[in-house]
Amino acid sequence: GENVEQHPSTLSVQEGDSAVIKCTYSDSASNYFPWYKQELGKRPQLIIDIRSNVGEKKDQRIAVTLNKTAKHFSLHITETQPEDSAVYFCAAKAAGNKLTFGGGTRVLVKP
Amino acid sequence: NAGVTQTPKFRILKIGQSMTLQCAQDMNHNYMYWYRQDPGMGLKLIYYSVGAGITDKGEVPNGYNVSRSTTEDFPLRLELAAPSQTSVYFCASNIMEMNTEAFFGQGTRLTVV
Repeated sequence: GENVEQHPSTLSVQEGDSAVIKCTYSDSASNYFPWYKQELGKRPQLIIDIRSNVGEKKDQRIAVTLNKTAKHFSLHITETQPEDSAVYFCAAKAAGNKLTFGGGTRVLVKP
Repeated sequence: NAGVTQTPKFRILKIGQSMTLQCAQDMNHNYMYWYRQDPGMGLKLIYYSVGAGITDKGEVPNGYNVSRSTTEDFPLRLELAAPSQTSVYFCASNIMEMNTEAFFGQGTRLTVV
């Protein structure tokens, strides 16, 4: 089955700096890669996703890149703000519609 | 618009007790999932369903059972609760097309003592 590795597990940045989270996946048939943000005590919520026919996608301060050959994708957050502090999860979906999550990255934005 | 609703929000069980975690969605989604999230950890898939009457195991199915008699409901059953099942349980759903957002319920925090 699919295996998703996520790094780093924790990330501390100064407000205004950029944050980058990287994920690798094992199943070359995976074709959908969402990113979820989970605030403390809350449910995960989708912040951005990318499909396998696209190499990059941007939404305001958030961007995701995908390298299908290397089987890795990354989340980039620019101009970080305190409200970006949360746990971020990457995921990959292969055949059968099973969504496999990475282990999560706890991001702390220091004012 | 309720989305995905889980009940209860919190529960304490004694070892060996059983319970059912309820999950209902009102978005006519075909696909439904159960995940568990241990403290400080990621989401592990327990069971999932691609439609009424169809269920399949995820990564960590042992100790759990599910059923899917209707499109709306996907209950998760714990038969003999163990301390290792202390976790936060999330139900999620999405529509039939594969590459679409999965919506999560608010979670059920279960403690087994």
